[in-house]
Amino acid sequence: DTGVSQDPRHKITKRGQNVTFRCDPISEHNRLYWYRQTLGQGPEFLTYFQNEAQLEKSRLLSDRFSAERPKGSFSTLEIQRTEQGDSAMYLCASSSKESGTQFAPMGYTFGSGTRLTVV
Amino acid sequence: GNSVTQMEGPVTLSEEAFLTINCTYTATGYPSLFWYVQYPGEGLQLLLKATKADDKGSNKGFEATYRKETTSFHLEKGSVQVSDSAVYFCARANSGGYQKVTFGTGTKLQVIP
Repeated sequence: DTGVSQDPRHKITKRGQNVTFRCDPISEHNRLYWYRQTLGQGPEFLTYFQNEAQLEKSRLLSDRFSAERPKGSFSTLEIQRTEQGDSAMYLCASSSKESGTQFAPMGYTFGSGTRLTVV
Repeated sequence: GNSVTQMEGPVTLSEEAFLTINCTYTATGYPSLFWYVQYPGEGLQLLLKATKADDKGSNKGFEATYRKETTSFHLEKGSVQVSDSAVYFCARANSGGYQKVTFGTGTKLQVIP
């Protein structure tokens, strides 16, 4: 397994267009997360999947954003009617519950991200 | 809520200098604590972690000790190298549940020869 893969690495789009990003997590990880990172800031949580179920969405995720993980493997994040404020790095991460305990998070494995520029 | 506060950067050090990057966290629940590193042009990587009070995480010469009494998790390295130049993020995750991680704003470290 080569880690978490994200595609594309870069995306430039015109304001008002729709974009879709893909994330392929580590195969044995059942938990998948989307974060957004703007320049000079730490990653901000967007949404979380356990298997195919989307269990939490941040209020940062407006109605224009939708994420899916249909088969509990790869995930897509779609932004409709993009705005310049959507320009950011979109990060995907995956993790698994540490064997034997739910009380010791292992930490995430991040992908390299998709850099979105809305012009 | 759950939050993490870390010292602002950038931090500029000469090679072989001692590094400290301060981090404090909100004491809600029993969080696990992490340091992530982001090298130029790369994604975030887990550097080290500590899951309970008094634990010390260590990796690549970096260390951080989980201090419950001061709600701190400061990152230290005795002798930095130019290759350590990166942005360092302190983070926390609640134990149990689904491990949602909250990140600090990051501290940029630049090491000059």
